[in-house]
Amino acid sequence: GAGVSQSPRYKVAKRGQDVALRCDPISGHVSLFWYQQALGQGPEFLTYFQNEAQLDKSGLPSDRFFAERPEGSVSTLKIQRTQQEDSAVYLCASSLEGMDSVEKLFFGSGTQLSVL
Amino acid sequence: GQNIDQPTEMTATEGAIVQINCTYQTSGFNGLFWYQQHAGEAPTFLSYNVLDGLEEKGRFSSFLSRSKGYSYLLLKELQMKDSASYLCAVRDLGGGSYIPTFGRGTSLIVHP
Repeated sequence: GAGVSQSPRYKVAKRGQDVALRCDPISGHVSLFWYQQALGQGPEFLTYFQNEAQLDKSGLPSDRFFAERPEGSVSTLKIQRTQQEDSAVYLCASSLEGMDSVEKLFFGSGTQLSVL
Repeated sequence: GQNIDQPTEMTATEGAIVQINCTYQTSGFNGLFWYQQHAGEAPTFLSYNVLDGLEEKGRFSSFLSRSKGYSYLLLKELQMKDSASYLCAVRDLGGGSYIPTFGRGTSLIVHP
């Protein structure tokens, strides 16, 4: 595709519900990052994939957060038993290079999650 | 973290020049990025610096001093559409990770 695509654009969940956020990176991009961005803050790292391998998940805030990229392209970020503090914009970014030589990240428009 | 520090907000006049500073602390510096983010939109790449000096791209320039842990983004001939958040991000290999870490961003307001 022309750019990184994320869906849904907006998601409203009741506290305790599970949600799944999808990211379609640019075709052929090796690296895929998930970031969480609270209002008025910079993006905070969640997890990183190089192809299908999840090489870094140090930023995932709890075991309620789970991410996968089974075929090395589309990725899904799943949040179980959502809490109000999970409300944020979830950004996906991809890069042509592997993690040790990333020079440019291409971001999607994000999924704005609101937990009521 | 990388202790990335940027001013929270800046204002400037259309047609003027503005400099947005970013300071950081790392143990294994490996690159600094600048991104622009309009409200409700994706961050878009502006520049990447890994060596000291100034890099110019049209109206935007980015400067890096590794010894001082300092960078700035210079915007010339400001336009109203430049009103956005400007994010500084650093890659620090000292922590064993290649992941770019972002500062909180500087909200730039350009007024007529």
